[in-house]
Amino acid sequence: GNSVTQMEGPVTLSEEAFLTINCTYTATGYPSLFWYVQYPGEGLQLLLKATKADDKGSNKGFEATYRKETTSFHLEKGSVQVSDSAVYFCALSNAGGTSYGKLTFGQGTILTVHP
Amino acid sequence: DAGITQSPRHKVTETGTPVTLRCHQTENHRYMYWYRQDPGHGLRLIHYSYGVKDTDKGEVSDGYSVSRSKTEDFLLTLESATSSQTSVYFCAISLQGAGEQYFGPGTRLTVT
Repeated sequence: GNSVTQMEGPVTLSEEAFLTINCTYTATGYPSLFWYVQYPGEGLQLLLKATKADDKGSNKGFEATYRKETTSFHLEKGSVQVSDSAVYFCALSNAGGTSYGKLTFGQGTILTVHP
Repeated sequence: DAGITQSPRHKVTETGTPVTLRCHQTENHRYMYWYRQDPGHGLRLIHYSYGVKDTDKGEVSDGYSVSRSKTEDFLLTLESATSSQTSVYFCAISLQGAGEQYFGPGTRLTVT
């Protein structure tokens, strides 16, 4: 079955530091890959996505590249801000058929950014 | 923001009592999902729906049932709540069932 593994957290950084959150996956076929973000007390929001190998998703300064050869989708940002403090979830979905867009999530990585 | 509401937002109940959580959407999306969020587990799918009266089980469906009698509402029922069902429950919707989902604000349920 499908599975997603994220790097252990929590991650604590100073403002303007470089961020990497590792994500690897196991899946059948050619899944779509996602990063979701959850701010305190809120539901999840889609941050970015990639639907095929070598695609790069980007949004709000965050980027992730779909690497089929290493089954990875690492999240990066060049300069984090205090407002980026949140929980980040990597997820995958098998498109089409009877998958019905079901998402498989990693366990989440807590990011705290200090001024 | 997608028009998704969940009710109640917080609930405390006793072991053995029935509980129903409601998810309501104004987006007319076909697909709806119920997840639970627990520390160290991320989000896990409980049940999902791919149309009115069309539902199926997710990976952690034991002890839960769902109903969807109209497009906008998806109900999650705990027939007899247990302490292991203490969690935060999220509803999500999707237009095309391709993985891009929009989430509600969540319901924090405590079973004592």
